[in-house]
Amino acid sequence: KAGVTQTPRYLIKTRGQQVTLSCSPISGHRSVSWYQQTPGQGLQFLFEYFSETQRNKGNFPGRFSGRQFSNSRSEMNVSTLELGDSALYLCASGLAGYFEETQYFGPGTRLLVL
Amino acid sequence: GQQVMQIPQYQHVQEGEDFTTYCNSSTTLSNIQWYKQRPGGHPVFLIQLVKSGEVKKQKRLTFQFGEAKKNSSLHITATQTTDVGTYFCAGPPGGTSYGKLTFGQGTILTVHP
Repeated sequence: KAGVTQTPRYLIKTRGQQVTLSCSPISGHRSVSWYQQTPGQGLQFLFEYFSETQRNKGNFPGRFSGRQFSNSRSEMNVSTLELGDSALYLCASGLAGYFEETQYFGPGTRLLVL
Repeated sequence: GQQVMQIPQYQHVQEGEDFTTYCNSSTTLSNIQWYKQRPGGHPVFLIQLVKSGEVKKQKRLTFQFGEAKKNSSLHITATQTTDVGTYFCAGPPGGTSYGKLTFGQGTILTVHP
């Protein structure tokens, strides 16, 4: 079974721009979660989608948004980029997103904002 | 909100020495998961502990879940250079927490040959 894939793997943007990141979960997984990883803040939960619905959201500003498609693929968007948005963005997939499930992480998209 | 603390933040060992990282949650956890992230890589699931007092072993790795389900530890016996990386513990917060894990800050392990 193929793992979680994320595109692009690397991205360089400038302040004020917007960016869209993509995540394809493991086949059969319907829950997709997004995390931001930075050296200072560690791994922080952004949001989770299941059946095209956002079920859970972390403490990030409204510039961070996401969506999920009927094939469970998910995208996240960051508008009006700030320098502090430079991070590794990870998505994780699970069967249904329940607390007892294992989450499988993708390789991440490394975003650099200049 | 829930906080998960991990110590130590860094650990440098000589190859062959043992290593332990500790994880403490501010709230009772329904389960705790451990992940390893190699330098430049992404978190990879190692194990999940569910029961109070549970102990699980994977070759040289021993995982424990505390009796009160608020703390956990990962012990590596006779470290090898392949053990290098950051070890994270993570737990789901209480209530409706679909897909959300609260991660500790991680312990960065360096193994000197």
